[in-house]
Amino acid sequence: GQQLNQSPQSMFIQEGEDVSMNCTSSSIFNTWLWYKQDPGEGPVLLIALYKAGELTSNGRLTAQFGITRKDSFLNISASIPSDVGIYFCAGQRDYKLSFGAGTTVTVRA
Amino acid sequence: GAGVSQSPSNKVTEKGKDVELRCDPISGHTALYWYRQSLGQGLEFLIYFQGNSAPDKSGLPSDRFSAERTGGSVSTLTIQRTQQEDSAVYLCASRDTSDPGSGNTIYFGEGSWLTVV
Repeated sequence: GQQLNQSPQSMFIQEGEDVSMNCTSSSIFNTWLWYKQDPGEGPVLLIALYKAGELTSNGRLTAQFGITRKDSFLNISASIPSDVGIYFCAGQRDYKLSFGAGTTVTVRA
Repeated sequence: GAGVSQSPSNKVTEKGKDVELRCDPISGHTALYWYRQSLGQGLEFLIYFQGNSAPDKSGLPSDRFSAERTGGSVSTLTIQRTQQEDSAVYLCASRDTSDPGSGNTIYFGEGSWLTVV
């Protein structure tokens, strides 16, 4: 599937900071999904968005489905050490998912 | 099973050998996907099954790659005459297309980590 443009590629966080990442595409999707992948694990679904303009929260996570259906962002508020990992956005049209290249979140020493 | 199960979890093979990777989807899930993840990369679509048929195999990178699914359940991804560039994590995922409430939720296995030396 086509790649989405996900940014930033990586980020360093300090505990308590808010984190933001986004994805854009030249194509329209019906669903936007955000996954987190820990080392040695498969991606785990964090948030699913089904309608343009939809803003959805899951605990400290907030994600929005862009009004143009070509973009989405994910915010993590008050980050904690276990937030480290790789976050992937995915756009879905019919049965197919297309993924961003991922945002690697690590803790700043 | 409770989740998507993949085996082997790790495989080291010599260049030129064939490998088989197995996926047990969540019981009752009709849709099954194979993705490939190279180091530091996103997930690359390989093939999609609905039941036992594969309406979309457009992501298979070459004719050395093939996959089948039997009984609407277990799937096997086969890579023939492996090359070093085949080294990657191969992820399987499944989805319950019969349930409109969860129809868009795709669940991933933990992956099979393939290293070709």
